[in-house]
Amino acid sequence: DTAVSQTPKYLVTQMGNDKSIKCEQNLGHDTMYWYKQDSKKFLKIMFSYNNKELIINETVPNRFSPKSPDKAHLNLHINSLELGDSAVYFCASSPYQLDRGRVAFFGQGTRLTVV
Amino acid sequence: AQRVTQPEKLLSVFKGAPVELKCNYSYSGSPELFWYVQYSRQRLQLLLRHISRESIKGFTADLNKGETSFHLKKPFAQEEDSAMYYCALSGGETSGSRLTFGEGTQLTVNP
Repeated sequence: DTAVSQTPKYLVTQMGNDKSIKCEQNLGHDTMYWYKQDSKKFLKIMFSYNNKELIINETVPNRFSPKSPDKAHLNLHINSLELGDSAVYFCASSPYQLDRGRVAFFGQGTRLTVV
Repeated sequence: AQRVTQPEKLLSVFKGAPVELKCNYSYSGSPELFWYVQYSRQRLQLLLRHISRESIKGFTADLNKGETSFHLKKPFAQEEDSAMYYCALSGGETSGSRLTFGEGTQLTVNP
């Protein structure tokens, strides 16, 4: 009954490959996010979706493409992986409505290593 | 624009000592401020938020709008408090619930 779950937890792949990370939340939240945590533990937002609609798209290479088939899922597809993509990727969700606050719940993270 | 600054990347204290993790923010409207904690190899989780005015695990944080600060404090640190702490800000309605994080402070509580 995990609230926000990501798969896989670990991903090791070669440069140039294409990979996907899946995220699902069972909290009924409207908004989902992808964050990247670099080697210095700095957390930076990449994307945010509200009810399957893209609302935040930070300066992220086009090789990264989020996909939201429904509001409970937000997957991240990465094309032509590069060494610099190695990081921990966190999925998160939160209610959007103001009266429900804006607390974010995070997945356990996906540690991506590009070799 | 939203910005959160945590000036200390590393903070080391002894068990039983007081601890204060600093956080300053920049935002033109009325923000919501949060502290999130990440224990070793675990997911981020909410520690506390300014609007609830709670004390969680002995930690408190007061929003000081004059100084634009939201420092996290605990009078007596415990070894299990060792973790990465992130201060975060959520802006107004148009931000789409964006959470902007500070760079984090790694707290180590020594025995």
